[in-house]
Amino acid sequence: QQQVKQSPQSLIVQKGGISIINCAYENTAFDYFPWYQQFPGKGPALLIAIRPDVSEKKEGRFTISFNKSAKQFSLHIMDSQPGDSATYFCAATDTGFQKLVFGTGTRLLVSP
Amino acid sequence: DSGVTQTPKHLITATGQRVTLRCSPRSGDLSVYWYQQSLDQGLQFLIQYYNGEERAKGNILERFSAQQFPDLHSELNLSSLELGDSALYFCASSSLLGAGNTIYFGEGSWLTVV
Repeated sequence: QQQVKQSPQSLIVQKGGISIINCAYENTAFDYFPWYQQFPGKGPALLIAIRPDVSEKKEGRFTISFNKSAKQFSLHIMDSQPGDSATYFCAATDTGFQKLVFGTGTRLLVSP
Repeated sequence: DSGVTQTPKHLITATGQRVTLRCSPRSGDLSVYWYQQSLDQGLQFLIQYYNGEERAKGNILERFSAQQFPDLHSELNLSSLELGDSALYFCASSSLLGAGNTIYFGEGSWLTVV
């Protein structure tokens, strides 16, 4: 019930391409879904987040798509750049309870 | 820079020993979280404090304990250390309770148990 499943484990995308990372959850009480970006030697940093009352949220080149009925959400990185090479974590939590449950992470490499 | 400060950045210690990791949250943040990141377990929530009180507990071992002091800094105490405790320990903070408030992570404390 507390798991968040993330795929793929690793991803190689050419510069300018679209990176897509998928996550699925089981706990229907989850209502806040952030994505974190982590560079080597650094802590995770909030990238973008969504609540289930909207199906999509876009911030610059980053878009979250959310499918409440399927209990799935995904991160799309448009026009991927080498500087986007990092590990991306999806996460989920429920209102009033900030115990973030993280996915297992996706290591993204954007080739020049 | 997230504003969350963790010390020490690296620590090597022997099995059976005890260590203390320290965290200073962002200025004004009342809530502090501890997470453990390892290759096999990913990012695991350990414990949360809000204004000095424990608010949520995750997969924290009985050998581990934490506290948040009146000045809001927090310490994570790890005792009777085992090889499997080697991991990156993150502290994070946020201003309020409740989902939707951004949680800011520090850069972590690397613990190696030998």
